[in-house]
Amino acid sequence: DIQMTQSPSSLSASVGDRVTITCRASQGISNYLAWFQQKPGKAPKSLIYAASSLQSGVPSKFSGSGSGTDFTLTISSLQPEDFATYYCQQYNSYPPTFGQGTRLEIK
Amino acid sequence: QVQLVQSGAEVKKPGASVKVSCKASGYTFTGYYMHWVRQAPGQGLEWMGRINPNSGGTNYAQKFQGRVTMTRDTSISTAYMELSRLRSDDTAVYYCARAPLTLLLEFFFDYWGQGTLVTVSS
Repeated sequence: DIQMTQSPSSLSASVGDRVTITCRASQGISNYLAWFQQKPGKAPKSLIYAASSLQSGVPSKFSGSGSGTDFTLTISSLQPEDFATYYCQQYNSYPPTFGQGTRLEIK
Repeated sequence: QVQLVQSGAEVKKPGASVKVSCKASGYTFTGYYMHWVRQAPGQGLEWMGRINPNSGGTNYAQKFQGRVTMTRDTSISTAYMELSRLRSDDTAVYYCARAPLTLLLEFFFDYWGQGTLVTVSS
């Protein structure tokens, strides 16, 4: 199975900041990468697919990039509702696998 | 709008089985895969398997082979996940999640159910 490693595991930031989360795959996955946001007690919500394509209805403050093994999720102008846990997921190879998550906290 | 509504929380004893349902609305049920993903308390996300509601064909993660069964009832747009021989480490929130039938997007989960907590305890 492909291992997905996110960094950092947790991150503290302030309202208005811009943050970047990194996801690394144990082998090349082309651009078959998705990002999800999960708030406590809620289901994950899809943000980005194909590494950089924004899911319908997701604000443009979220952006993704990367290809191969290294990917990033950037969130600009953080607002209180953006503080959550973020997961990456590869869907290039079977079975699909997730990163361990990055918890974004308010500083 | 797309909605996936799951059945309520369950408490089971070790060795028992649990069956979770996921009722879909707002789209053509047979036009998308239904996947199941679980999340143990304070842990990450783990893919369990999927069903093609159109054909009934299934694929299960190796870890759950022999213990999980995914079915569907197209007349009521509902998918089911049954997990047998439950253990304490099966305590988790179980999610259904939709994915397009399109090749290369078949494992991209665009909409998720609200989750069902299954607690396994003696």
